[in-house]
Amino acid sequence: KNQVEQSPQSLIILEGKNCTLQCNYTVSPFSNLRWYKQDTGRGPVSLTIMTFSENTKSNGRYTATLDADTKQSSLHITASQLSDSASYICVVPFGAGNNRKLIWGLGTSLAVNP
Amino acid sequence: DVKVTQSSRYLVKRTGEKVFLECVQDMDHENMFWYRQDPGLGLRLIYFSYDVKMKEKGDIPEGYSVSREKKERFSLILESASTNQTSMYLCASSFREARSEAFFGQGTRLTVV
Repeated sequence: KNQVEQSPQSLIILEGKNCTLQCNYTVSPFSNLRWYKQDTGRGPVSLTIMTFSENTKSNGRYTATLDADTKQSSLHITASQLSDSASYICVVPFGAGNNRKLIWGLGTSLAVNP
Repeated sequence: DVKVTQSSRYLVKRTGEKVFLECVQDMDHENMFWYRQDPGLGLRLIYFSYDVKMKEKGDIPEGYSVSREKKERFSLILESASTNQTSMYLCASSFREARSEAFFGQGTRLTVV
């Protein structure tokens, strides 16, 4: 079954600290994996996309890693800020051509406290 | 900037009403999607369209229909609204290519009373 599982479900950290969010997937065949950030009451916004050949990709204070062998990805947030408080969702496309759909994880809810 | 615009941020409708949710994108994207998002359930695909007049059922199409008469516009229709359709509705669009990112609208919070 094609699935995307994220952990932890929720996380609370202090401002300035680092954190790592995990994503495990069983989608096959695999082409890419995306991380989205969703602020409360808003639509998701893409942070990064990881393809099969990429191990690490950074976007400012966000660094995503991908291990295609173990089918795991992580999102590392450095020097967290209050504005990082959001839900972070891992997404993997499934299917090909016109039938391409997205398999969404349930997200990790991150709260950054002052 | 890519823009996906949903017609309403908040809607309150009565049980049994016919409800129209409109979505417009300005990037000439082939694909358009309607999702609903509920606490603990994540994003669930209602319908997907990959071209004008083309549509595919998603994971939870029951009680919904869609219309795509123009490439930039994708409408979600609740034929007879029910209280279990109270939810956040999200529209998204993307190019057809595998690496294409999906861009989302701001969401419509629908309450059915």
